[in-house]
Amino acid sequence: GAVVSQHPSWVICKSGTSVKIECRSLDFQATTMFWYRQFPKQSLMLMATSNEGSKATYEQGVEKDKFLINHASLTLSTLTVTSAHPEDSSFYICSAPDRVGANVLTFGAGSRLTVL
Amino acid sequence: AQTVTQSQPEMSVQEAETVTLSCTYDTSENNYYLFWYKQPPSRQMILVIRQEAYKQQNATENRFSVNFQKAAKSFSLKISDSQLGDTAMYFCAFMNNNAGNMLTFGGGTRLMVKP
Repeated sequence: GAVVSQHPSWVICKSGTSVKIECRSLDFQATTMFWYRQFPKQSLMLMATSNEGSKATYEQGVEKDKFLINHASLTLSTLTVTSAHPEDSSFYICSAPDRVGANVLTFGAGSRLTVL
Repeated sequence: AQTVTQSQPEMSVQEAETVTLSCTYDTSENNYYLFWYKQPPSRQMILVIRQEAYKQQNATENRFSVNFQKAAKSFSLKISDSQLGDTAMYFCAFMNNNAGNMLTFGGGTRLMVKP
């Protein structure tokens, strides 16, 4: 089946630095990928929709300049948390439909970010 | 906008027993999908079951089945013969077929299966 690989699985960084998280579709092409944020013991909140070849679509309240999304190819989307602060510490999850128009999403294993 | 509500933050069930997790949603759309996802301690999201809104027949997947009541906008998950490995967070989710595969999640129910 479709596999989405997310890297790194966890990262610790100092406040003020930037962190990049990668999301790769391993055996399929993904023109669209979704980035979610999950706080401890809470649900997944959609942050943005990553579109290959065009700008990402951000959900209301999500800072575009803070969370930079680049969908560089049909198999790779990256989320860069810029000038990270402790409040950005969270679990970030990406997902993608395994084919255009598919209604089932495959999820990455998530990336835990801790900002000191 | 769609909203998904899971009214049970936590539930527990004895191994081999049956448990039902509740989910209600609100939408003005007529063409949509509903899902239950499982998130075990590993935090990997796993699809449990899905339901197309245009299908009246309730979806089933082995020990998992749903009770889809479209008029009531209710989509409960029944787990039969509960196993220890079913211990996880369960999220109900909604996808508007006309809005590009985006999932809206409920708040989740933490299920503990007790030996």
